[in-house]
Formats: sequence, structure tokens, C-alpha cells
Amino acid sequence: EDQVTQSPEALRLQEGESSSLNCSYTVSGLRGLFWYRQDPGKGPEFLFTLYSAGEEKEKERLKATLTKKESFLHITAPKPEDSATYLCAVQAGGSQGNLIFGKGTKLSVKP
Amino acid sequence: DVKVTQSSRYLVKRTGEKVFLECVQDMDHENMFWYRQDPGLGLRLIYFSYDVKMKEKGDIPEGYSVSREKKERFSLILESASTNQTSMYLCASSGLSLAKNIQYFGAGTRLSVL
Repeated sequence: EDQVTQSPEALRLQEGESSSLNCSYTVSGLRGLFWYRQDPGKGPEFLFTLYSAGEEKEKERLKATLTKKESFLHITAPKPEDSATYLCAVQAGGSQGNLIFGKGTKLSVKP
Repeated sequence: DVKVTQSSRYLVKRTGEKVFLECVQDMDHENMFWYRQDPGLGLRLIYFSYDVKMKEKGDIPEGYSVSREKKERFSLILESASTNQTSMYLCASSGLSLAKNIQYFGAGTRLSVL
């Protein structure tokens, strides 16, 4: 069964304290792995897509990496405005475009 | 800019009412999706559509139906609303090709069924 597990469920950081969020997955033929950011009461906002092991993508203080079993979202020197829930999702090979989502990691960054 | 628009941000309905949630996208995407999001359960797929008049059941279709008469519009219908359908509903759309398979989401509709 295709599955996505994110850890930790919640993470509290001080401003400037770097850390990583984990997304482990089991899927039959990975077509793509997606990271989203979701602010309270809003829809998820797309951040990154990764397609193959070894791929990395960066945007400001965020960097996403991918291996054959997991993805990491590294946050360098976070700021309070990085506080949000981060969602990971995978698309299986042969799917018609639907994603399987993890339950998310709620990140809080304190000043 | 990519845009997925959901017709209502907040809705309050009574048990047994028929409820329509509307979603419109302006990206000419083939795929459209309806999810519900509940604390501790994450996003769960209700239905999706990969073409006009086509639909596929997701993980939790019971109590819901959908309609896609035009490419840009995808409607979610609660035939007889119940209190356990109180939730945040999210619509998304994506293209078919690998380069366009990113799902873009609307702002969500928070539905309360009393």
C-alpha cells in the first residue's frame, strides 16, 4: 500500500535554529514528490517537486532533498514567518495525477 | 498567476440539506480534485476528475457526488448533509504532463453542518 509518513508531527524552533523535516514514503514507482506549505485557514501552497533520488531544490531558507525512501526539508536560520504546516505528498507511477499526502509537520518559529 | 477559486470561504448548513461546493480554475488543467482536511487525519481525497464528465472515486466518496460539465469547473455535492461532514474542503487542479502535474489549491471552504 502506498504510504507517506512525516516526522515530527510538531517542531518548535528558536529563530535562527536550523533543522530538518522528514518525509518517508513507500510507493509503487515514484512519479514525483511534492512539498507544500499551509498557513492556518488557507489552502496548501506549492513549494517544490522532486522527481528522482539525488535531486535537490532550494528556495530562500528552504532546501528539499530526495532519496529512494525519504525526503528532507531543511530549514536554515528560520524566521517567525516560516511558521506553518509543511505537507509532503507523493504521486505514484501509473496514477492519474492524484497525490498521497502525509499528515504534515507543524513548525513554530519563536523570535 | 495560477488561480483556483472556491465559491465560499465559510458555509453553515443544516442536517439534511443539499450542499453545493463550487470550484473554478483558470489554468486549462485536465485534472481536478476535491479533498477534505480534518485535524489528525490530513488531506483525504474524495473524488477527482481527469476530463469533462469523467469522475473517479477517491478514498472517502461516501455521502458525496461530483459534477464536471465544463473543463474549468468542478462541483462537490453533499446530497444530504450530516454533522460528520463538517470539515475544511479543498479543491485542486493539475495538468496531465509530468511538467504540469503540480496540484494547485484553492483557499478552501470551511463547512459547518448543524
